Amino acid sequence: EIVLTQSPGTLSLSPGERATLSCRASQSVSSTYLAWYQQKPGQAPRLLIHGASSRATGIPDRFRGSGSGTDFTLTISRLEPEDFAVYYCQQYGGSPPYTFGQGTKLEI
Amino acid sequence: QVQLQQWGAGLLKPSETLSLTCAVYGGSFSGYYWSWIRQPPGKGLEWIAEINHSGSTNYNSSLKSRVTMSVDTSKKQFSLKLSSVTAADTAVYYCARYFFDSYAKYYYGMDVWGQGTTVTVSS
Repeated sequence: EIVLTQSPGTLSLSPGERATLSCRASQSVSSTYLAWYQQKPGQAPRLLIHGASSRATGIPDRFRGSGSGTDFTLTISRLEPEDFAVYYCQQYGGSPPYTFGQGTKLEI
Repeated sequence: QVQLQQWGAGLLKPSETLSLTCAVYGGSFSGYYWSWIRQPPGKGLEWIAEINHSGSTNYNSSLKSRVTMSVDTSKKQFSLKLSSVTAADTAVYYCARYFFDSYAKYYYGMDVWGQGTTVTVSS
């Protein structure tokens, strides 16, 4: 099973600032198998990024995914008030289980 | 626009069987994989199982002995059963859809999710 470790656990920033979230895999993951999600309290997760760097439909361009191998990054260039949420990375890996990271909470 | 609507019992006693169903509205059922994911209170996401339109399944090995998924393509529904539940199975359960391009080896992520069902296991 591939373990995804996200850091930091909590990130405290202000609107307008830049956020950098990390996702490290316990073994190499194809970039075509890496996704990022945003989750707000009481809501289902929302797909942000697939293929490590491709934005899902309707996702603003301030969200950018990057990385390869075991290290992946989600960058939010200019934080908007609605961006404060929990973010999860997820690997598909071609075989189950399709694991998620433990999450990074982005707070004001 | 594709929507997933899920339902099932929200309060169970230990040793009972959890049963949830998810219906697909407004889109195709074939060609996609249909998953269940859960989230214990205050914790992260755990993938449970998946099924495709032909009924091929994959299960998380940590739950495999207790999990069964099934599909009813005529109704565009899929279901989850988790037997012998304990308090550790208390969570919000989500259904979700994803597309995998097997030729390009590309995973498009879980782009449509159900609203979630809170399941509590308590005596």
